[in-house]
Amino acid sequence: QSVLTQPPSVSAAPRQKVTISCSGSSSNIGNNFVSWYQQLPGTAPKLLIYETNNRPSGIPDRFSGSKSGTSATLAITGLQTGDEADYYCGTWDSRLSAEVFGGGTKLTVL
Amino acid sequence: QVQLQESGPGLVKPSQTLSLTCSVSGGSISSRPYFWSWIRQPAGKGLEWIGRIYTSGSTNYNPSLQSRVTMSIDKSENQFSLKLSSVTAADTAVYYCARDPSSYFHYYGMDVWGQGTTVTVSS
Repeated sequence: QSVLTQPPSVSAAPRQKVTISCSGSSSNIGNNFVSWYQQLPGTAPKLLIYETNNRPSGIPDRFSGSKSGTSATLAITGLQTGDEADYYCGTWDSRLSAEVFGGGTKLTVL
Repeated sequence: QVQLQESGPGLVKPSQTLSLTCSVSGGSISSRPYFWSWIRQPAGKGLEWIGRIYTSGSTNYNPSLQSRVTMSIDKSENQFSLKLSSVTAADTAVYYCARDPSSYFHYYGMDVWGQGTTVTVSS
């Protein structure tokens, strides 16, 4: 049981937009930045979004992050088949004094 | 470009101690304050944070693993290590090391990851 809650799967057609939600509480998302990771099959996770809405160098602006209260959202526009992957949200939980992740969301580009 | 590489035994017997090392290349582990983290992922499952060690040596561990985890940092060898004691089959996973530019008051996220190493706990 993950501290952060994500939908197990989402799907959309190429060139469309998809959003992935990440729900937490006041001890984690509500009071900390959020990060998002992309994990392509058989590879290590890669940082997509840091500090809730910033992209590391090299990450296209098709990927964006936002937060409202105790929930965060990753949006991907202009979907490509290469975006098929597992996506994880993460943040610091001040009550647990631990980094916590969502259970992951599998994105299928139909 | 900093790179991380995990190393250690791929097979550990139940009740023994799992020991892994993460070698840092392309930069000094102490060039600026970072957290250096361990994360694991059982096959087909999600990510689980194991803990982190700061450049100064201070640590934070996952409360569910805290009694079995020890992390250390070796600045002279530019590497950091994980020890997980009394392992069981439930500790079988891919283990990743990662760099985290967060501070104690500002969460960032893990920006550099190793490729991961598979550890199987079996007799």
